Amino acid sequence: QVQLQESGPGLVKPSQTLSLTCTVSGDSITSGGYYWSWIRQHPGKGLEWIGNIYYTGSTYYSPSLKSRLTMSVDTSENQFSLKLASVTAADTAVYYCARVGIAVRHFDYWGQGTLVTVSS
Amino acid sequence: EIVMTQSPATLSVSPGERVTLSCRASQSVSSNLAWYQQKPGQAPRLLISGASTRATGIAARFSGSGSGTEFTLTISSLQSEDFAVYYCQQYHNWPPLTFGGGTKVEIK
Repeated sequence: QVQLQESGPGLVKPSQTLSLTCTVSGDSITSGGYYWSWIRQHPGKGLEWIGNIYYTGSTYYSPSLKSRLTMSVDTSENQFSLKLASVTAADTAVYYCARVGIAVRHFDYWGQGTLVTVSS
Repeated sequence: EIVMTQSPATLSVSPGERVTLSCRASQSVSSNLAWYQQKPGQAPRLLISGASTRATGIAARFSGSGSGTEFTLTISSLQSEDFAVYYCQQYHNWPPLTFGGGTKVEIK
């Protein structure tokens, strides 16, 4: 059973960088066939795709976040990470990590989500 | 960017009723559409991919149809555990991968 678990600070100050890590178990990030993804959900709102990363380090970012976004992968730890710079209150959201197929790009496994609040 | 529009925003139904949720794409996505169910405090769960293929373990009362720009998720007989928010997602043209705004199915 594939499991994903987000970790990172729940509170970030405005203008700082939001950093989250997703630890994957039950599957190897290097097994191929999948991208590893971040999605967020503003409080009471819908789902917003942030970006995908392949285990080789290839990335695909949302155009609206691309200028502030960095995703990376640590194959030795079976983890992938998100960094979002210059955050504002508008970045307050629940952040999910998920697995998404390369050929069929739907999200089949999700982490439980972690709430990140941007506030001073 | 392909914009996904779901209707209605909220649907009030009674248990046992048949439910039909709609999703429209701003341009053709062929059959590259998925449906998700999200309950309060939980992550979304994949229900349907390829517009009509149920994911593993999904009950047969859930069915998806459509292609191109018009899609439907049908719940044949609503159970108490089906009260949730439902999202569609296109994966035809990306980036970005885009979701609809969701339909909340609530108890009448």
